[in-house]
Amino acid sequence: DAGVTQSPTHLIKTRGQQVTLRCSPKSGHDTVSWYQQALGQGPQFIFQYYEEEERQRGNFPDRFSGHQFPNYSSELNVNALLLGDSALYLCASRIEASSETQYFGPGTRLLVL
Amino acid sequence: GIQVEQSPPDLILQEGANSTLRCNFSDSVNNLQWFHQNPWGQLINLFYIPSGTKQNGRLSATTVATERYSLLYISSSQTTDSGVYFCAVDTGGGNKLTFGTGTQLKVEL
Repeated sequence: DAGVTQSPTHLIKTRGQQVTLRCSPKSGHDTVSWYQQALGQGPQFIFQYYEEEERQRGNFPDRFSGHQFPNYSSELNVNALLLGDSALYLCASRIEASSETQYFGPGTRLLVL
Repeated sequence: GIQVEQSPPDLILQEGANSTLRCNFSDSVNNLQWFHQNPWGQLINLFYIPSGTKQNGRLSATTVATERYSLLYISSSQTTDSGVYFCAVDTGGGNKLTFGTGTQLKVEL
């Protein structure tokens, strides 16, 4: 049973560009959350998707957007990249109807030059 | 929003030593989890523990919700225990986690 998977593992972009990160949830999971982890800090919640809708959002600008597909996989899009967007981006999945904890993927390391 | 503070921020242990990591939070929570982040960035679930005590091998955790703190105990530490330990809390349901400041643990031979 595969856990949460993310692609790509690493990515280098330049300021002003756009990036798309991808996440496949753990088998049977229907809710996906995205987190940003800057170097030396704890992860910060970006947003959560359930039933293909954004359900909760953290304190992130509209440059950060997402999507959830019918198979529960998800994308995180960031437009007009800034140097400060350099971080580890983590995806987590869970079962909405369960009190079970959420599980994190290995992350995508984004470097903006 | 809720504040989550962890102590100590850094800890160096000799292999075989025991340690206690603390997590204080500023408001009532629905959910509290402990994670270990390995040097490659993977967050590994340790405990889901909104209250009470749980044990898993050399690790155990206790959350006293009424006093707004949680403790993670590591016994007989090993070099593979090195990494960053985070506690994370959810106040409103839906598993929107707020992470603490982390404890960086290094276990030496």
